[in-house]
Amino acid sequence: GAGVSQSPSNKVTEKGKDVELRCDPISGHTALYWYRQSLGQGLEFLIYFQGNSAPDKSGLPSDRFSAERTGGSVSTLTIQRTQQEDSAVYLCASSVGGGLGNQPQHFGDGTRLSIL
Amino acid sequence: DQQVKQNSPSLSVQEGRISILNCDYTNSMFDYFLWYKKYPAEGPTFLISISSIKDKNEDGRFTVFLNKSAKHLSLHIVPSQPGDSAVYFCAARSNFGNEKLTFGTGTRLTIIP
Repeated sequence: GAGVSQSPSNKVTEKGKDVELRCDPISGHTALYWYRQSLGQGLEFLIYFQGNSAPDKSGLPSDRFSAERTGGSVSTLTIQRTQQEDSAVYLCASSVGGGLGNQPQHFGDGTRLSIL
Repeated sequence: DQQVKQNSPSLSVQEGRISILNCDYTNSMFDYFLWYKKYPAEGPTFLISISSIKDKNEDGRFTVFLNKSAKHLSLHIVPSQPGDSAVYFCAARSNFGNEKLTFGTGTRLTIIP
């Protein structure tokens, strides 16, 4: 498809389990971002990938969170030993990137993660 | 530390009238501002943006105004339509760093037919 694709759309898991969330960015976009939105809050930045550069992980809330981006395209966000406070909607966005001036980020529909 | 603030959690406007959504920011390093619209169970959809070198940008029914001295921006929608009912997020990006967006907490706009 033409937009950012995320899977699964919903994930329910037990506390302590690991989860993997997937993002397919828009074709040709070199910049990829992960955000999360907790109930009643705005979007909170987690991590940023730009091309082959080292990712900016400054928004990751703990070392239980990690992300990879393989081949400059698909990204996976992994949360280990999930806690109830990890429950949120996890949103992926991509943009043209590459220092081409002001370019908006385009979002997927998110993964709604619920930790029981 | 909320660097982008949307102080009105909700707003109701009659169909056909103007909707004005407001946003304030505190970080003087922000140089690019965006508005997103979000329907339930969907991701935010980009609406309109403005660079800090401008004070107005218009796209159809949507106009964004930026007042840098007041660190304030607003989104005007005219005329308002029922399909405009959604949550609107203001976002900003700094001219330093990683191009991450800092978001406000959103304003729920309801258009009354």
